[in-house]
Amino acid sequence: KNEVEQSPQNLTAQEGEFITINCSYSVGISALHWLQQHPGGGIVSLFMLSSGKKKHGRLIATINIQEKHSSLHITASHPRDSAVYICAVRHEKLTFGTGTRLTIIP
Amino acid sequence: NAGVTQTPKFRVLKTGQSMTLLCAQDMNHEYMYWYRQDPGMGLRLIHYSVGEGTTAKGEVPDGYNVSRLKKQNFLLGLESAAPSQTSVYFCASSLQGAVGANVLTFGAGSRLTVL
Repeated sequence: KNEVEQSPQNLTAQEGEFITINCSYSVGISALHWLQQHPGGGIVSLFMLSSGKKKHGRLIATINIQEKHSSLHITASHPRDSAVYICAVRHEKLTFGTGTRLTIIP
Repeated sequence: NAGVTQTPKFRVLKTGQSMTLLCAQDMNHEYMYWYRQDPGMGLRLIHYSVGEGTTAKGEVPDGYNVSRLKKQNFLLGLESAAPSQTSVYFCASSLQGAVGANVLTFGAGSRLTVL
């Protein structure tokens, strides 16, 4: 079993829809990262969180340490949000999920 | 401020050839990492460095060597390339290591194909 599981693997939605991407992990962690990988391949860090909730623009990330679960939400989704979203957890090393490919259709 | 720069961005090799990927960062970060990304798998750590002159093995180090002679540069070498090393390689850097509360900055990636 992978230490980091993301769901769904692929998600297609209409512009304007509310998006939720989930990340579950099996180890005790010090922090969790959400990353965005653009179609061109570059990887950008969106959030790093160890408790509670963080918000940046239309993006919201939450984490429940007891349940070992985090969610990334996108409000009022737009085609430019189309990307692969990657969850990574920090314990003695950084372990990455396989990513969720999001496609927003105009 | 360039961040993390990887060169080359693309390379095609024949089996048995050697090459070096260069990663350069201008943020004075102590920690640097080389990852590979393969379809259906998460990023996997090849080697990393906690400071100038130091290197350590990650999850998948076989077939690769690294050097960190200068703080700003982290080189990844393939001595005898194999088709299994066809992948996209990402360099990253951070101020602190795995247990530190710190953000990773990634390079744009280097796509390597070994025929």
